[in-house]
Amino acid sequence: SQTIHQWPATLVQPVGSPLSLECTVEGTSNPNLYWYRQAAGRGLQLLFYSVGIGQISSEVPQNLSASRPQDRQFILSSKKLLLSDSGFYLCAWSVQNEAFFGQGTRLTVV
Amino acid sequence: GDSVTQMEGPVTLSEEAFLTINCTYTATGYPSLFWYVQYPGEGLQLLLKATKADDKGSNKGFEATYRKETTSFHLEKGSVQVSDSAVYFCALGSSGSARQLTFGSGTQLTVLP
Repeated sequence: SQTIHQWPATLVQPVGSPLSLECTVEGTSNPNLYWYRQAAGRGLQLLFYSVGIGQISSEVPQNLSASRPQDRQFILSSKKLLLSDSGFYLCAWSVQNEAFFGQGTRLTVV
Repeated sequence: GDSVTQMEGPVTLSEEAFLTINCTYTATGYPSLFWYVQYPGEGLQLLLKATKADDKGSNKGFEATYRKETTSFHLEKGSVQVSDSAVYFCALGSSGSARQLTFGSGTQLTVLP
């Protein structure tokens, strides 16, 4: 069966520090991969999606970037975090329109 | 482009009350429709889905019917429980798009004992 791993679960980082969130998928090949952000009290905002290795599409201009170095690995990064980057980040993969989500990372920038 | 409009919350109900969360969509072609649920501190889980017009998705007492004529996919449950307290997201999936899923803004449901 397919599983998705996302870590860390919680993270507190100072403003201006770098960020790296990692997501890996098991049990499937060539999945579409997604990073979403959920700000407090708000819905889901699609940040990036990827249809293959090295292929990244950005949905909104921002302080973040994404990379897909391997088929089942999706990384969310920032060189310098802003206070506004705080939120709940969710990785997901999809097949035939159905999405499967990781447990999320609660990021607090202080 | 595709969009999903979802009833704004928060919604607060007493246990055993009837629940409706409205969802309407705009899409080209024939999308699939989904309801996801997010329990506190967790990721999203698929609750139910419908892939074509007039299909009814159901799970855990929740139901939603794909209404093409009204472009709607309203979520209903006849008798809610405290354990149903969560955020509910309506979503649309278009197979022709790599983005694949478009989510509504989510509705916070709180069920009181």
